[in-house]
Amino acid sequence: EPEVTQTPSHQVTQMGQEVILRCVPISNHLYFYWYRQILGQKVEFLVSFYNNEISEKSEIFDDQFSVERPDGSNFTLKIRSTKLEDSAMYFCASTERGYPTADTQYFGPGTRLTVL
Amino acid sequence: DAKTTQPNSMESNEEEPVHLPCNHSTISGTDYIHWYRQLPSQGPEYVIHGLTSNVNNRMASLAIAEDRKSSTLILHRATLRDAAVYYCILRGGASAGGTSYGKLTFGQGTILTVHP
Repeated sequence: EPEVTQTPSHQVTQMGQEVILRCVPISNHLYFYWYRQILGQKVEFLVSFYNNEISEKSEIFDDQFSVERPDGSNFTLKIRSTKLEDSAMYFCASTERGYPTADTQYFGPGTRLTVL
Repeated sequence: DAKTTQPNSMESNEEEPVHLPCNHSTISGTDYIHWYRQLPSQGPEYVIHGLTSNVNNRMASLAIAEDRKSSTLILHRATLRDAAVYYCILRGGASAGGTSYGKLTFGQGTILTVHP
């Protein structure tokens, strides 16, 4: 069964450093998402991406965050200057189609980001 | 997105059925009812979804009240592997403002504990 993959599984960085989290969505999917989950808290939406542009973003997704689809397979989340509060699990997800369908979102296993 | 209400936690014994309730009294006519679950240390995983009629798949059944203000996820025979956080999510439709682009809004969910 096709799956979403994410690398690395765990990233440790110093505060103020830039990090890039990578995702490979399912190959025929067109809509891509990033979510994060701070330890012990709920999963939070960050951003959705379609047709090479951001479709929607949350309040969390400020100027420190950016997303890119640099080629036909990867989807990346960049955090320019990490803060301690960016420590979380980051999940990538993809769907074949978007709103207003009821398409299933397929999630990757996540990248655990630890900011020291 | 319309709000859902779920119990914080439930317990079950292995091999027994589990009924996970969800209230969504402000659901709009075009909102789909989605269930996802999150196993420990993993990304969310799709379970089932429906609009008006009851639904069955290999993982579970979804029973939707006639007025659609509540639904119940049914695991017919719980296994230890079903221990997870279960999320009931409304998606799409007018309650999302018509332009949600398919993001999922997670609540706290129901923590299901399965005893051997």
